[in-house]
Amino acid sequence: GAVVSQHPSWVICKSGTSVKIECRSLDFQATTMFWYRQFPKQSLMLMATSNEGSKATYEQGVEKDKFLINHASLTLSTLTVTSAHPEDSSFYICSASLLAASTDTQYFGPGTRLTVL
Amino acid sequence: AQKITQTQPGMFVQEKEAVTLDCTYDTSDPSYGLFWYKQPSSGEMIFLIYQGSYDQQNATEGRYSLNFQKARKSANLVISASQLGDSAMYFCAMREGESGGYQKVTFGIGTKLQVIP
Repeated sequence: GAVVSQHPSWVICKSGTSVKIECRSLDFQATTMFWYRQFPKQSLMLMATSNEGSKATYEQGVEKDKFLINHASLTLSTLTVTSAHPEDSSFYICSASLLAASTDTQYFGPGTRLTVL
Repeated sequence: AQKITQTQPGMFVQEKEAVTLDCTYDTSDPSYGLFWYKQPSSGEMIFLIYQGSYDQQNATEGRYSLNFQKARKSANLVISASQLGDSAMYFCAMREGESGGYQKVTFGIGTKLQVIP
């Protein structure tokens, strides 16, 4: 099946520092990757859509200067949380779209738990 | 209006019994796709099953089946012969529009299923 990895699986950082999270599709090429944020006991909230070789499309209310997304290749997208603050603490999860026939199923990475002190 | 509605915040089921998780959706687009994902306590999102709006038959994947009632706009997930490992959060999701490119997926708030031995 389609496998998506994320690194790191968890990170603790000091307020004001930047954190980079990597999302890789391991056995398929993903022209589109998605970044979600999930607060405890809540659903997934789409933050942005990342297309290889072009600028990311951010959802309303998501600060593009704070959450930098780079989709450098067909298998790698990165999310950088710049100048992180405690309110940025959350579970960040990426997905990659496998363009199988008529499904566009998204396969998810294992997620990254960010804690900002 | 909510695009995806999951009205059961929590469900209990006896091991080896079947359980139905409810999902209703709202869209005016004639072309859409419906997904169910499972999220165990580890956090990863696991794709379970997909139903396209034009699919004539209900989708099935092993112990999972999707009870698709288009006129009622419902896409309930049926898990047969529940196992302890089925205990998790279950999310219903919808993609509006044709597949084959970036299409935003909207998630419901989830249903927490607990399987009792």
